[in-house]
Amino acid sequence: DAGVTQSPTHLIKTRGQQVTLRCSPKSGHDTVSWYQQALGQGPQFIFQYYEEEERQRGNFPDRFSGHQFPNYSSELNVNALLLGDSALYLCASSVVGLVGHEQYFGPGTRLTVT
Amino acid sequence: GENVEQHPSTLSVQEGDSAVIKCTYSDSASNYFPWYKQELGKRPQLIIDIRSNVGEKKDQRIAVTLNKTAKHFSLHITETQPEDSAVYFCAAPRADRDDKIIFGKGTRLHILP
Repeated sequence: DAGVTQSPTHLIKTRGQQVTLRCSPKSGHDTVSWYQQALGQGPQFIFQYYEEEERQRGNFPDRFSGHQFPNYSSELNVNALLLGDSALYLCASSVVGLVGHEQYFGPGTRLTVT
Repeated sequence: GENVEQHPSTLSVQEGDSAVIKCTYSDSASNYFPWYKQELGKRPQLIIDIRSNVGEKKDQRIAVTLNKTAKHFSLHITETQPEDSAVYFCAAPRADRDDKIIFGKGTRLHILP
């Protein structure tokens, strides 16, 4: 039973470029949440996807967008990259409606913007 | 608005002693309180959680207590060991709505030899 997987592991981009990060949820999970974790900080909620729709969104600009596919995998897209977008991007999967809302995190993608 | 405050930001304890990390939350509808441990370079992993219908939960050396009236919950680690060194995050999602998780800023725990 595979856990949450993310790709790529590391990524280096230049300011102004666009990036796409990918996440495959844990088997049996249907909900994917994305988080940004700056160095020394806690994960900050970006958005959550369920049934291929964005259900919740944190305080992130429209440059951050996402998508969920019928197989529950998800992508995070960031346009017009800024230096401040450098962070560890984590995705977490869960099962909607389960009391307890336990989320399983992927290993993350470390994005460096230069 | 939703907010989770976590204290202290850094904690150093002698190996074998106990460590306590505290969190307060603002959303009275929160009813599920997980704690995550994140080792350097690794993903956050759930170590213990508590639901609002209980006041305390234990799992070996780890315990979590909840005071819903005061809106605070705490992580207790007893007989600390070197492998307990990590960053610990509390969180307060709203399980009834499958809502977003608000994390605290984390506590860096150092276990001193």
